[in-house]
Amino acid sequence: AQSVTQLGSHVSVSEGALVLLRCNYSSSVPPYLFWYVQYPNQGLQLLLKYTSAATLVKGINGFEAEFKKSETSFHLTKPSAHMSDAAEYFCAVSGSSNTGKLIFGQGTTLQVKP
Amino acid sequence: EPEVTQTPSHQVTQMGQEVILRCVPISNHLYFYWYRQILGQKVEFLVSFYNNEISEKSEIFDDQFSVERPDGSNFTLKIRSTKLEDSAMYFCASGKDRGDQETQYFGPGTRLLVL
Repeated sequence: AQSVTQLGSHVSVSEGALVLLRCNYSSSVPPYLFWYVQYPNQGLQLLLKYTSAATLVKGINGFEAEFKKSETSFHLTKPSAHMSDAAEYFCAVSGSSNTGKLIFGQGTTLQVKP
Repeated sequence: EPEVTQTPSHQVTQMGQEVILRCVPISNHLYFYWYRQILGQKVEFLVSFYNNEISEKSEIFDDQFSVERPDGSNFTLKIRSTKLEDSAMYFCASGKDRGDQETQYFGPGTRLLVL
């Protein structure tokens, strides 16, 4: 079975500050890991994904995430937050079924203060 | 850039009524999915669909739910007799290729409210 835990349902940072959104996973098989972002009234958009190539994955809008097997983590970071980064972020895992089923975390709402 | 579209954006229905949620996946995609998110809870997988067959379904996807690709463009989710607990945001997604590592592209969702 697979599961995802996102620590912190709400994270607030100042504009220009480091963004760190935490994701821990549980998986009995090698996982594929995803970060999606949802802006208001829009669908989930892929930020980046880990598919067992490089452990440090770079995504869109300056985000990156590092796969750490020893810590079962896939935290999302961005060096400098921008107001436009305010959104809900979802971490997801797949790999257990080959049907593409994604198992999501509960989501983290990122607030960026001016 | 191609995108997944969903209609309606909002639907209000009475308990026991049938609803059909519609999705238009990206045109060259072959793999289709429905997820839902009850307010304040996680996004949950409902069903995956390929080659006019269900590939996998979750425990949530009981006999009250069905999916169909009635033509070359639409992908629908039908709930036969809605319950209060079916109130949720329903997301459709599509993917170009098979495999758990493949990217899924999500629509904006349909918010269903069952009264």
